[in-house]
Amino acid sequence: GAVVSQHPSWVICKSGTSVKIECRSLDFQATTMFWYRQFPKQSLMLMATSNEGSKATYEQGVEKDKFLINHASLTLSTLTVTSAHPEDSSFYICSARGLAGAGEQYFGPGTRLTVT
Amino acid sequence: DAKTTQPPSMDCAEGRAANLPCNHSTISGNEYVYWYRQIHSQGPQYIIHGLKNNETNEMASLIITEDRKSSTLILPHATLRDTAVYYCIVFEYAGNMLTFGGGTRLMVKP
Repeated sequence: GAVVSQHPSWVICKSGTSVKIECRSLDFQATTMFWYRQFPKQSLMLMATSNEGSKATYEQGVEKDKFLINHASLTLSTLTVTSAHPEDSSFYICSARGLAGAGEQYFGPGTRLTVT
Repeated sequence: DAKTTQPPSMDCAEGRAANLPCNHSTISGNEYVYWYRQIHSQGPQYIIHGLKNNETNEMASLIITEDRKSSTLILPHATLRDTAVYYCIVFEYAGNMLTFGGGTRLMVKP
């Protein structure tokens, strides 16, 4: 099956710094990638949708200047959390949708971000 | 808002079938029913999807009622490793994104 990787799997950073999370589709080309955030014991919340070569579309309430998304190629999207604060601590998950099929999305393993 | 309703939790004995229900009474004709599961601290895993007909794969079976207003995911022989949160999602191909509801936390017990 299709594989999506994320790097890093976990990261601890200090308040005020920026953190970049990478999402890669390893064996297929992803025209669209999605970024989700999940707080403990809650469901996944979509943050933004990114299409290769174009600007990301952010969900209501998600600050586009704080969560920078770049989808530079058909296999890589990055999420940068700028000026991170403790309330940004969360589980960040990306998913990728391939060129074909009925629209299945394949999810990465997630990145645990802790801001101290 | 999620378009599905699922019980928040269920228990199942190891080796028995786990039947997870989902209501999607407002589903439209071009929306698929997708099931994903999320094991603790991992990304969601695709299980199965269907439009009208019942579907089966190596992981599970999906039974969709004739009026498409509800469905049931069946894990035929649940194991301890099937303990996870199971999400039922209605998805329109053109709509492009999955919206997760609360899901059902399935606990498989020995």
